[in-house]
Amino acid sequence: QVQLVQSGAEVKKPGASVKVSCKVSGYTLTELSMHWVRQAPGKGLEWMGGFDPEDGETIYAQKFQGRVTMTEDTSTDTAYMELSSLRSEDTAVYYCATPAELVGVFDYWGQGTLVTVSS
Amino acid sequence: EIVLTQSPATLSLSPGERATLSCRASQSVSSYLAWYQQKPGQAPRLLIYDASNRATGIPARFSGSGSGTDFTLTISSLEPEDFAVYYCQQRSNWPRMYTFGQGTKLEIK
Repeated sequence: QVQLVQSGAEVKKPGASVKVSCKVSGYTLTELSMHWVRQAPGKGLEWMGGFDPEDGETIYAQKFQGRVTMTEDTSTDTAYMELSSLRSEDTAVYYCATPAELVGVFDYWGQGTLVTVSS
Repeated sequence: EIVLTQSPATLSLSPGERATLSCRASQSVSSYLAWYQQKPGQAPRLLIYDASNRATGIPARFSGSGSGTDFTLTISSLEPEDFAVYYCQQRSNWPRMYTFGQGTKLEIK
């Protein structure tokens, strides 16, 4: 059973960066492909990007390319998502999610991290 | 880019009734479509994958059908805990990306 535990809520000013972590247990990070999905207040789910094991590289949604970086620390089984040049529209709950036992779908999710961007 | 359109936006039903939710893709996704349930303040939960397979622990009252561009999530007899927002999701191979529908809110009538 996979467990994903994310870091706590963040408040950032416009123009700043935020780095959210996602700690894996039950599996090792090398066994998983970690993705990030966000949800603005009262809105739907938006895929940001994730690791594609078929190509062996991290893929990003076009909307976030150049502003988002997803990394992994396999020594601590922790995944990170860093979003830069924050604006108010980036206020959202950010989830890590993984297709651990299936393909192409997210069967395990973190609890979410609220990032608030406000001056 | 494949766009998923869900309908209706809101569905008002009573416990015990049958719910039918729709998801339409802008081009064929074969059977590679999933459904999720999300309750307020919680992460989404996978219900159905590959259009018709229930995820582990999902009650039999939830079923999925469809292929190509038209998909349906059916809840045969609504329980009080089923009132939530439901999202469909697909993964495309070119470009490689994941897409969610905009969601259907299932509310108590």
